[in-house]
Amino acid sequence: SQTIHQWPATLVQPVGSPLSLECTVEGTSNPNLYWYRQAAGRGLQLLFYSVGIGQISSEVPQNLSASRPQDRQFILSSKKLLLSDSGFYLCAWRSGQTYGYTFGSGTRLTVV
Amino acid sequence: KNQVEQSPQSLIILEGKNCTLQCNYTVSPFSNLRWYKQDTGRGPVSLTIMTFSENTKSNGRYTATLDADTKQSSLHITASQLSDSASYICVVSREGGSYIPTFGRGTSLIVHP
Repeated sequence: SQTIHQWPATLVQPVGSPLSLECTVEGTSNPNLYWYRQAAGRGLQLLFYSVGIGQISSEVPQNLSASRPQDRQFILSSKKLLLSDSGFYLCAWRSGQTYGYTFGSGTRLTVV
Repeated sequence: KNQVEQSPQSLIILEGKNCTLQCNYTVSPFSNLRWYKQDTGRGPVSLTIMTFSENTKSNGRYTATLDADTKQSSLHITASQLSDSASYICVVSREGGSYIPTFGRGTSLIVHP
């Protein structure tokens, strides 16, 4: 069966520090991968998506970047965090044969 | 513009009662509509998915309906339980393209004992 792993679950980082959130998918190949951010009381905002290794599409220009070094690995990064980067980050994957997303458990990032 | 509007924004009900959440969308051309349940601090979990030809789908005490003509969907929760307290998100996808769905902002449901 397919599973998605996202870590860490919570993270507190100072302003100006770097960020690396990792997401991996098991049990499938060539998934579509997504990074979303959810601010308190707000809907999900798509940040990046990838349809293959090295293929990254950015939906919102901001202080973050994404990379897909392997087929089932998706990384969200920042060189210097801002206070506004605080939020709940969700990784998701989708197979080309299905309609639905499967979400990871999320990372609560607090920038202080 | 593709939009998904959910109502109410928040809802408080007593345990054992029924409730209905609404979702209106302008996404076109329509492909499918999904309802997700998101517990606080967790990732969303899929409840139902409906395509154009489906107008009702159930998952236990959850029943979703779809009217593709009026572009409306509802999620009905029967005999609510404390564990139903969560945010319920409506997600609508278009046909074709890069498959980027449109998310509603969710309805926050609180079930009180």
